[in-house]
Formats: sequence, structure tokens, C-alpha cells
Amino acid sequence: AQSVAQPEDQVNVAEGNPLTVKCTYSVSGNPYLFWYVQYPNRGLQFLLKYITGDNLVKGSYGFEAEFNKSQTSFHLKKPSALVSDSALYFCAVRDSPLIDGYNKLIFGAGTRLAVHP
Amino acid sequence: DAMVIQNPRYQVTQFGKPVTLSCSQTLNHNVMYWYQQKSSQAPKLLFHYYDKDFNNEADTPDNFQSRRPNTSFCFLDIRSPGLGDAAMYLCATSSLAGATDTQYFGPGTRLTVL
Repeated sequence: AQSVAQPEDQVNVAEGNPLTVKCTYSVSGNPYLFWYVQYPNRGLQFLLKYITGDNLVKGSYGFEAEFNKSQTSFHLKKPSALVSDSALYFCAVRDSPLIDGYNKLIFGAGTRLAVHP
Repeated sequence: DAMVIQNPRYQVTQFGKPVTLSCSQTLNHNVMYWYQQKSSQAPKLLFHYYDKDFNNEADTPDNFQSRRPNTSFCFLDIRSPGLGDAAMYLCATSSLAGATDTQYFGPGTRLTVL
């Protein structure tokens, strides 16, 4: 069964410093990995995804994520954090092959990022 | 801009009084999903439609129903809301249901049950 873990409930970082939000996954086939961000009282906003190819994926708002197959990780990174990056971040995974024609997206528990001025 | 729209953004209902939440999309996507999210937890998939084919998650209570009258609209009906159904309800769409397809979310409807 597929699963995803976000080991940190909260990450605190000073504005201007690099940030990392961690995600590890478990799948039986090839992983398809996604990062979403959620601002208060809003829906989830897609940031980036890894399907295949280059292990470093660039996404919206200066975020990037590095896929590491040996460590089964897909950590979200940004070189210089902004106060406006403060939000709830969700990692999600889909497994392959499909089961009964459909594999649902499995979300991690979320990591709250707090960027301090 | 193409988008996923949810109405209303905030809904208050009484215990046991049926309520309907609405989702529409201008993306012309084949798949529409309904998620329940409580207290900043991970979203929990309730069901999804692939075109007109309805797919219910095994642990979705019978109290939750859905309708998709056309490609653009999808409704979530809660027949007899309980206090435990108070949550954020998120609608999402994707072009297809493949493993690589991105889901795009609406802004959500926050449901309060009195």
C-alpha cells in the first residue's frame, strides 16, 4: 500500500533563510509525487510534481523539490523564505500500477511552515 | 481564468437539516472529487466522478451523497448533518484519473453544524 510521511508538524525559519519541508514515501511501483500549499481558509494550491526525469523539480513561487529514490524522499525547498510563505504544506503520492483502474492520491499529515521576520 | 469554484464559501446548518454544497469548474476536466478536511488535517477523499461514473470510497458514510448533472457541476449532499460533519469540504478536478494527473482544488466550503 502506498503511504506518505511528513515527519515535522511545524517548521520555523527566519525570513531570507533557506527552508526545507520533509516528505518520505512508500510505494510498490513508481512514485508520482506532489506538493500542495494551503493558506488559511483556502483550498489546496498545486506547487509542483515529480513524474519522471530530472530529480530536481521546479515549481511555483520559487519552490523546488528533490526526488531521491534511494532515500524515498521528496523534500520541498526554497533558497530564501518569505513571510508570505507561511502556510500548511501537504506532500502527496500516487502509486503505479493502477488498481481497479484508479489509484487515489494519498496525502501526508501536513507541515505548518512559519516564516518569521 | 479557468478555475474551480465552490459555493457557498461558508455554510451554517442545523443538526439533521439537509445541506447541499456546490462545485463548478471551467477547466472542462473529466474527473471531479469531493474531499473532507478537518482541523488542518490531510484531506480525506469521499468520492469522485469520472465523467458520469460514480466512485465511492469504502469508508464514506451513507449520509454523504453526490450528483454530477453535467461536466461542469458537481454537488455534495449531506442528508442529515451531525456535529462530526463540521469540516472544510474541498472540491477538486483533474483532466483524467491517471497517476500523473494533477488535481486542482477549489477554495473550499466551511460547514458549521449547530
